[in-house]
Amino acid sequence: DGGITQSPKYLFRKEGQNVTLSCEQNLNHDAMYWYRQDPGQGLRLIYYSQIVNDFQKGDIAEGYSVSREKKESFPLTVTSAQKNPTAFYLCASSIDQGVSYNEQFFGPGTRLTVL
Amino acid sequence: AQSVSQHNHHVILSEAASLELGCNYSYGGTVNLFWYVQYPGQHLQLLLKYFSGDPLVKGIKGFEAEFIKSKFSFNLRKPSVQWSDTAEYFCAVDTGRRALTFGSGTRLQVQP
Repeated sequence: DGGITQSPKYLFRKEGQNVTLSCEQNLNHDAMYWYRQDPGQGLRLIYYSQIVNDFQKGDIAEGYSVSREKKESFPLTVTSAQKNPTAFYLCASSIDQGVSYNEQFFGPGTRLTVL
Repeated sequence: AQSVSQHNHHVILSEAASLELGCNYSYGGTVNLFWYVQYPGQHLQLLLKYFSGDPLVKGIKGFEAEFIKSKFSFNLRKPSVQWSDTAEYFCAVDTGRRALTFGSGTRLQVQP
């Protein structure tokens, strides 16, 4: 089955700890994205990557970091510098590579709770 | 910076009622437009998309949306809703930066 997997589904961490959220896709998509979803605010873009070893900050990148060492994987680290990390995190991917539109496919999400 | 507005935050309808959810964006250039839906406990999935051609686009499950360039709008419609349409609906815009800008979402509750 082709798709996007995110693990774990639920994650609890103590305040001040860094935590890494996993995102893997087997769709052979070039581009990958991380969004944060909060009630009443929709999805906000954290980081995105159009190609391996390259990524760009989104609208709310402060307190987050990413890497893109492999085409299939785009892990997100929520650092202790993120002031309000408790949220639902969604990973997405798209074909990119010059297509005229950008239909994104989403994973099931990880709900992070910082205690 | 571009933004997307969804003015209806929570809509409650009875089955068979007609639906229209508003979406407006602020960007003067060429855009690609999307509606995504998130059913309870499920992945966010694409309902429909517009990137060129006929401004009236049809999507899955009987949904359609009309792009009105002069009004910067991309409203979602369905003539007769069903209980299974209960979900959260997100409008999104691609202005060419290769990532989407989403609206805040509209929670639709359909009562049987």
